[in-house]
Amino acid sequence: AQSVTQPDIHITVSEGASLELRCNYSYGATPYLFWYVQSPGQGLQLLLKYFSGDTLVQGIKGFEAEFKRSQSSFNLRKPSVHWSDAAEYFCAVGPQDNNDMRFGAGTRLTVKP
Amino acid sequence: DTEVTQTPKHLVMGMTNKKSLKCEQHMGHRAMYWYKQKAKKPPELMFVYSYEKLSINESVPSRFSPECPNSSLLNLHLHALQPEDSALYLCASSQVGGANYGYTFGSGTRLTVV
Repeated sequence: AQSVTQPDIHITVSEGASLELRCNYSYGATPYLFWYVQSPGQGLQLLLKYFSGDTLVQGIKGFEAEFKRSQSSFNLRKPSVHWSDAAEYFCAVGPQDNNDMRFGAGTRLTVKP
Repeated sequence: DTEVTQTPKHLVMGMTNKKSLKCEQHMGHRAMYWYKQKAKKPPELMFVYSYEKLSINESVPSRFSPECPNSSLLNLHLHALQPEDSALYLCASSQVGGANYGYTFGSGTRLTVV
């Protein structure tokens, strides 16, 4: 079965600094990978997704992620973090043609002024 | 309309009560989902409906009873819940084969069982 691991439970960065959130997946075939963001008490918003093709994908709010098959990773990046980016970030994996998406444990991002 | 609407936003119920959570979408999605999310944890899949038929039940206790009366609505009926069932309940929808597209989530219902 597919699974994802987010090694960092909590990350703190200064406003304006760059950000990288790590995600490693386990799946036998090419996975479908997603990053979601959740503000406190809210639902999840899709930031970006990867299916195939270009391994660098652009998302909303200035985020991007890079798929690296050799490392089984799909790390999320942002060149300059804004205070409003403080939230919980979830990486998720879904098998092809299946309604069974699974989430990682999440990484909580704190942004220092 | 690109939203998933969940009602109520907050619910407090006693252990002997019967209540229902509602979820509605008008995006033409034919797959709908219930997730349970405890504090500081990721969402956990409970149920998946595909074309209004239950396709996945993640061994959820029978005190949770899902219902999909039509392609736009998804209900979760609650009965005889326990305090440990207190959580944020999230509804989501997608096109069938949802992993291809990602899900659209509602804002959730914050349930407290007393």
